[in-house]
Amino acid sequence: GAVVSQHPSWVICKSGTSVKIECRSLDFQATTMFWYRQFPKQSLMLMATSNEGSKATYEQGVEKDKFLINHASLTLSTLTVTSAHPEDSSFYICSARDPTLSGLAGADTQYFGPGTRLTVL
Amino acid sequence: SQKIEQNSEALNIQEGKTATLTCNYTNYSPAYLQWYRQDPGRGPVFLLLIRENEKEKRKERLKVTFDTTLKQSLFHITASQPADSATYLCALVYGNKLVFGAGTILRVKS
Repeated sequence: GAVVSQHPSWVICKSGTSVKIECRSLDFQATTMFWYRQFPKQSLMLMATSNEGSKATYEQGVEKDKFLINHASLTLSTLTVTSAHPEDSSFYICSARDPTLSGLAGADTQYFGPGTRLTVL
Repeated sequence: SQKIEQNSEALNIQEGKTATLTCNYTNYSPAYLQWYRQDPGRGPVFLLLIRENEKEKRKERLKVTFDTTLKQSLFHITASQPADSATYLCALVYGNKLVFGAGTILRVKS
């Protein structure tokens, strides 16, 4: 249980174009999803928290107009990198919480997708 | 300032030995702490969660300790195997969020 998928797994685009990354919870409903970015040999940095049916909450320093997040259903959140530039090249990872879980994992445990490698030329 | 620190250098050990990874934090008071495994080019995979009122938690060959006085968690893998080679991340729950350390690379040699 608690499987999260991401699509695409990798994408290469030209500078100035927009890229959309999908994050799906496959076997549970996720009222909250999270988007992270990870640069090589660095930790995951939270970009934004996405709640179903409401606007995302962005972390300080993350441009909300550049990184558009939509969480239109309980199983799907999307991240669109608008007007991408080479410095946006990174590994983007989403996660989701299953609020019905208890026991070992706890309702606050996040389940991560496999990540999307974005390369902007 | 708030910090989460993990061994920055890779840990190289021989197969069959116990690997011990450290996570230290400052200026946080987490209700609980989690450990994740991350393989290259993949998202983190949840391993264990330990709450502030728990001293130790075990799962198969894994053991986690949590000392809120020292502000430290130790992660042990006993009888390590080459398949255990990966980056291990500790994460604190801070409000509604997870805050990650940079991770420690573990290499288990046969």
